[in-house]
Amino acid sequence: GQQVMQIPQYQHVQEGEDFTTYCNSSTTLSNIQWYKQRPGGHPVFLIQLVKSGEVKKQKRLTFQFGEAKKNSSLHITATQTTDVGTYFCAGQSGGYQKVTFGTGTKLQVIP
Amino acid sequence: NAGVMQNPRHLVRRRGQEARLRCSPMKGHSHVYWYRQLPEEGLKFMVYLQKENIIDESGMPKERFSAEFPKEGPSILRIQQVVRGDSAAYFCASSPESRGGETQYFGPGTRLLVL
Repeated sequence: GQQVMQIPQYQHVQEGEDFTTYCNSSTTLSNIQWYKQRPGGHPVFLIQLVKSGEVKKQKRLTFQFGEAKKNSSLHITATQTTDVGTYFCAGQSGGYQKVTFGTGTKLQVIP
Repeated sequence: NAGVMQNPRHLVRRRGQEARLRCSPMKGHSHVYWYRQLPEEGLKFMVYLQKENIIDESGMPKERFSAEFPKEGPSILRIQQVVRGDSAAYFCASSPESRGGETQYFGPGTRLLVL
């Protein structure tokens, strides 16, 4: 079955440093979504990428979808303490467009 | 427009009891997904349902777990004879359809603790 892996599993950064998480799928995706889960909270949708090579920005967050539509990345510039949480990618593909969540990257920002 | 509702938010059960978790999707959404999240781990897909139909239950344990999404009322995830290993957060998500490119909106989750 489809597998979606994320690296790193954990990341500690000093406030103001940049952060990147990478997502890799074992199969080609029709689209990829990114979610953020704060500690004790539930996943919240951030963005969706559909086109090969697509790049989208949300303030300090930059999302990329690979040319082969099998990988993606999320980059945060100048992290803030409010960025703390776990970031999940979720790939969609298959007959009924099943969504498979990645393993997640837990970000800790040290003030 | 209310979001995805889940209740109870916290549930404590003793080993051997039954746990019933409810999920009301967003208005207009007819697709429901259940996920389990163990502490410090990712989201594990359990089951995908449409009204009165189970579409994909490949992530459901073979025994003790069942799910339904009746024509009227919320979706129910039922765990019979709970064991300590069932302690986890159970999230429900809904989407308007699942043809592709549909965002899943998550509920606040039910934290199940089995004593």
